[in-house]
Amino acid sequence: AQSVTQPDIHITVSEGASLELRCNYSYGATPYLFWYVQSPGQGLQLLLKYFSGDTLVQGIKGFEAEFKRSQSSFNLRKPSVHWSDAAEYFCAGEGPGGGNKLTFGTGTQLKVEL
Amino acid sequence: GAVVSQHPSRVICKSGTSVKIECRSLDFQATTMFWYRQFPKQSLMLMATSNEGSKATYEQGVEKDKFLINHASLTLSTLTVTSAHPEDSSFYICSARGLDTSGGYEQYFGPGTRLTVT
Repeated sequence: AQSVTQPDIHITVSEGASLELRCNYSYGATPYLFWYVQSPGQGLQLLLKYFSGDTLVQGIKGFEAEFKRSQSSFNLRKPSVHWSDAAEYFCAGEGPGGGNKLTFGTGTQLKVEL
Repeated sequence: GAVVSQHPSRVICKSGTSVKIECRSLDFQATTMFWYRQFPKQSLMLMATSNEGSKATYEQGVEKDKFLINHASLTLSTLTVTSAHPEDSSFYICSARGLDTSGGYEQYFGPGTRLTVT
């Protein structure tokens, strides 16, 4: 079965520190992969996506993610976290030919300490 | 940018009544919309895929007679929770499939509707 796993439920980092949120996937073939951010009262916002090609993907708000086929991972990174980055982050996958149906991970709640 | 709205943002209803939630794509047309359910501290679970002018496709385990979906136009899909019970209390989120900046497709999400059944 297709699945996306986010091992970390909560992460706390200090403002200005680097960030890495983990995501692992299990699909029969290489899926399309996405990272979304959810803030209270707002819809999920797409940070970045990987379809194919360059395995290092740049997104909005200074985020990037690296696709590693050997590790079935698509971890999200940011070199320096800002207090406004505190939110819930979801990794999602879509199987090739999956009709745009997304499978979401359970999310990682990011807290930023000032 | 592509904006999706949901109405209402919050609704409280009594057990046994029905509630309708609207999802609108404000500045683009969406032939496909999706409905998700999110439990507290949990992920989004896809309930159904809604295609304009045709019947919705429901995910396994989702009662189609309880969660009625209508996608009557290219900018509006509705979810009606019929004969609601307290266990239907949840956060319901819709998304609409639209073009992204590179000419591909992307799902744009609404802000969600918090349903509480008393």
